[in-house]
Amino acid sequence: DVKVTQSSRYLVKRTGEKVFLECVQDMDHENMFWYRQDPGLGLRLIYFSYDVKMKEKGDIPEGYSVSREKKERFSLILESASTNQTSMYLCASSIGTSEYNEQFFGPGTRLTVL
Amino acid sequence: GQQLNQSPQSMFIQEGEDVSMNCTSSSIFNTWLWYKQDPGEGPVLLIALYKAGELTSNGRLTAQFGITRKDSFLNISASIPSDVGIYFCAPRGNNNDMRFGAGTRLTVKP
Repeated sequence: DVKVTQSSRYLVKRTGEKVFLECVQDMDHENMFWYRQDPGLGLRLIYFSYDVKMKEKGDIPEGYSVSREKKERFSLILESASTNQTSMYLCASSIGTSEYNEQFFGPGTRLTVL
Repeated sequence: GQQLNQSPQSMFIQEGEDVSMNCTSSSIFNTWLWYKQDPGEGPVLLIALYKAGELTSNGRLTAQFGITRKDSFLNISASIPSDVGIYFCAPRGNNNDMRFGAGTRLTVKP
């Protein structure tokens, strides 16, 4: 079974702090994704990566950056956290870029910025 | 820009009732996926539709890919308490166009 793990289930940070959210997948998937989930808005894509050291902006990249130094690990970075970044963050991976490829999700990190 | 509408936003039903939800889009897609998110977990793929007009069943779930390629519905028959969660449509198009609907939150009363 594919396993996508995220470093924390719950995180509380202060405004202005630098925040790292880590995601690891164990199935050698090429693609990895970061989404944020807010009530009534569904899942919105922040960044995705097709390969090591590759990254592409999603729909809402502002205020975020990412890092993919190893194939299995994709990190989301909030350089200076703000209260409007309080949200549920979901990481996902998929085997390829075809529209037929299923995405596998981690359990999510609920981030609160005070 | 592209519009993707999922309805209803939420449903409160009695155990044993049938459920129906749908997504409509202003754009054509090649694939429609439906995911379910259990409370406190990430979404998991329920059912995938790859061809316009396709009707697919998976146990109590039935989903259809609209003939115009702009819509899809998901039905759940004889709901049970473990059907509780958020259901997302997730159409896929060309050029890595990936979308998620806003979700339908289902509550099932025993």
